[in-house]
Amino acid sequence: EPEVTQTPSHQVTQMGQEVILRCVPISNHLYFYWYRQILGQKVEFLVSFYNNEISEKSEIFDDQFSVERPDGSNFTLKIRSTKLEDSAMYFCASRGDSTSYEQYFGPGTRLTVT
Amino acid sequence: GQNIDQPTEMTATEGAIVQINCTYQTSGFNGLFWYQQHAGEAPTFLSYNVLDGLEEKGRFSSFLSRSKGYSYLLLKELQMKDSASYLCAVRGGGFKTIFGAGTRLFVKA
Repeated sequence: EPEVTQTPSHQVTQMGQEVILRCVPISNHLYFYWYRQILGQKVEFLVSFYNNEISEKSEIFDDQFSVERPDGSNFTLKIRSTKLEDSAMYFCASRGDSTSYEQYFGPGTRLTVT
Repeated sequence: GQNIDQPTEMTATEGAIVQINCTYQTSGFNGLFWYQQHAGEAPTFLSYNVLDGLEEKGRFSSFLSRSKGYSYLLLKELQMKDSASYLCAVRGGGFKTIFGAGTRLFVKA
C-alpha cells in the first residue's frame, strides 16, 4: 500500500541553525501539507501546496519557514533560524486530487531545538 | 473566530459503546474528519462527513449536523487497542484543516 514517508525520524539542532525536513508524498497525489504538533498539544496546520505553489498558509508559517518541491517527488519544509519553540513533531500529508478528501499522513519528524 | 471543542478525556469499558462529541465554529465548511492518534504516532483517518447524517464503517460511525455545528464519533464493541486520542478536524473554506485538541480515550478491562 502506498504511503507517505518522512526523513529524518528525529532531528536535533541548535537554536539559530537551519533545518530541512523531507517528505516523499504518495506518487500520484497533487496536494501536499505540513502540520506540526507540539508535545501534548493539538495538530496545527502550517501550509498547503498545490501546482507548485503555496495555496494556503497559517499565521504560524512566517518568513522563517519555506516549502519546496524540488524534483517532483520530494516535498521539503525549511526552517531558517530555529527557535526553542519550534521543537515539535512535524507531519507531512498528501491528498490525491480535488475529488478526494482523505489526507494521508507521514510518520512525522520529531524536531528538538536545543 | 475558528474553534473546535471536544472533551479532553473519556473512559469506557471493553466491549461497551462510547460516543465522542465535537462542536465547531469555522469560517467555511468543506467537511469534518475524525482521526485516531496513538501516542507518538501520526493521525490515521477514520471518517469523513460533508452531508448531514450518519456514516457507518465497521465498528466506527460518525454523525454530522451542519446546522448545529455538531458531530460525534461512535465506537462500538470497544477493544483495548482503541485506547488513543480521537481528533475532530474541520476543513474550512480553502485548503486549511483545523484540528481540535483531541479526546483521549481510555479503555479499561
